[in-house]
Amino acid sequence: GAGVSQSPSNKVTEKGKDVELRCDPISGHTALYWYRQSLGQGLEFLIYFQGNSAPDKSGLPSDRFSAERTGGSVSTLTIQRTQQEDSAVYLCASSLGIAGGRETQYFGPGTRLLVL
Amino acid sequence: AQTVTQSQPEMSVQEAETVTLSCTYDTSESDYYLFWYKQPPSRQMILVIRQEAYKQQNATENRFSVNFQKAAKSFSLKISDSQLGDAAMYFCAYRIMDSNYQLIWGAGTKLIIKP
Repeated sequence: GAGVSQSPSNKVTEKGKDVELRCDPISGHTALYWYRQSLGQGLEFLIYFQGNSAPDKSGLPSDRFSAERTGGSVSTLTIQRTQQEDSAVYLCASSLGIAGGRETQYFGPGTRLLVL
Repeated sequence: AQTVTQSQPEMSVQEAETVTLSCTYDTSESDYYLFWYKQPPSRQMILVIRQEAYKQQNATENRFSVNFQKAAKSFSLKISDSQLGDAAMYFCAYRIMDSNYQLIWGAGTKLIIKP
């Protein structure tokens, strides 16, 4: 079946502009995660959605970052007033659940964001 | 604080040989998951292998196997019969079983395969 998809693949924007990054999780996966990967680094957790529960936003680096998940499926990560330090690869992952063998996260190809 | 350490920024191995990538972690929990992910230049993060901490048997997936030493908090990945397609960044990750669903990641090891 189809994996996690993300769009756009690459995004170049000017400092101060807003950007929206999209994630389509695997069908039937209730959990969705956003991570940020800076050059040469591991992944940094941003936000997590599970079913209809309130999202865990504890990893968002500032109030310029927000995310929503509509209808329990597609998610959009929005970065307002982008800064150069926001340049990174933004990865989305989904999982069937969070335990009992369903917790394995499957990743999309990421969106590479470059803020000039 | 939970941390994951990959002490080898880069490793190289001759094609068809065996290589071991190291990973250590710090936790006070007794139940958790451990993962190895592979990230080729395409950026796609691909699950290689997973291990549940309560299972004593080391996980194996074809040419990939782990050496899980719970007391030492060590989770190394062994790749046998290395192939050119194995060249990638390899990340070790950790997650508590009952909560804190986010993955905690190591900084990665770049694996180079020499033909």
